[in-house]
Amino acid sequence: KQEVTQIPAALSVPEGENLVLNCSFTDSAIYNLQWFRQDPGKGLTSLLLIQSSQREQTSGRLNASLDKSSGRSTLYIAASQPGDSATYLCAALNSGYSTLTFGKGTMLLVSP
Amino acid sequence: DAGVIQSPRHEVTEMGQEVTLRCKPISGHDYLFWYRQTMMRGLELLIYFNNNVPIDDSGMPEDRFSAKMPNASFSTLKIQPSEPRDSAVYFCASRTSGSRVTGELFFGEGSRLTVL
Repeated sequence: KQEVTQIPAALSVPEGENLVLNCSFTDSAIYNLQWFRQDPGKGLTSLLLIQSSQREQTSGRLNASLDKSSGRSTLYIAASQPGDSATYLCAALNSGYSTLTFGKGTMLLVSP
Repeated sequence: DAGVIQSPRHEVTEMGQEVTLRCKPISGHDYLFWYRQTMMRGLELLIYFNNNVPIDDSGMPEDRFSAKMPNASFSTLKIQPSEPRDSAVYFCASRTSGSRVTGELFFGEGSRLTVL
């Protein structure tokens, strides 16, 4: 059974810092790995998706990497802004399955 | 596109009462998922449908929980009788078969349930 872990559970940084959020998974037979953002009281919004054959994906100030062999993915946020404050969740889609396994998320607070 | 629509957004009820949560997926999406989110357990998949047919309900915690999808544009999650430990945010999400490649899963805003 796939298990997804995110470290740290919470992170507080001053505006402008570059930061890395970590995600690890136990079963490397994944189809893709996805990062979501969740604002308080809201649903989840898809940020980036990395296919199993890819190493990284970029969108603006966000860069997500994937290392299947070590069971890890990272989300890099450059030049953080207060508007980046949210909970970030990663989720793995295993080959042959239709459902995602989610981590519990990292709650990020970027202070002005 | 209106996105995934859930109702009610907030529900406060007393233990023992029946609760019905509703979801309208995005038009054209053939997969629908019900998730539950709590601080302790995170996001848990309860059940999912493909073309209105329940595929996997192994995440439904007890017989008190049931879900239906009578047509492609409507699904319900019912809890009867409700208990305080059912208090959580319940999310509905949908996607198309084609987006298994893109992986894009669209979530509703959630229904926050409080059982007193």
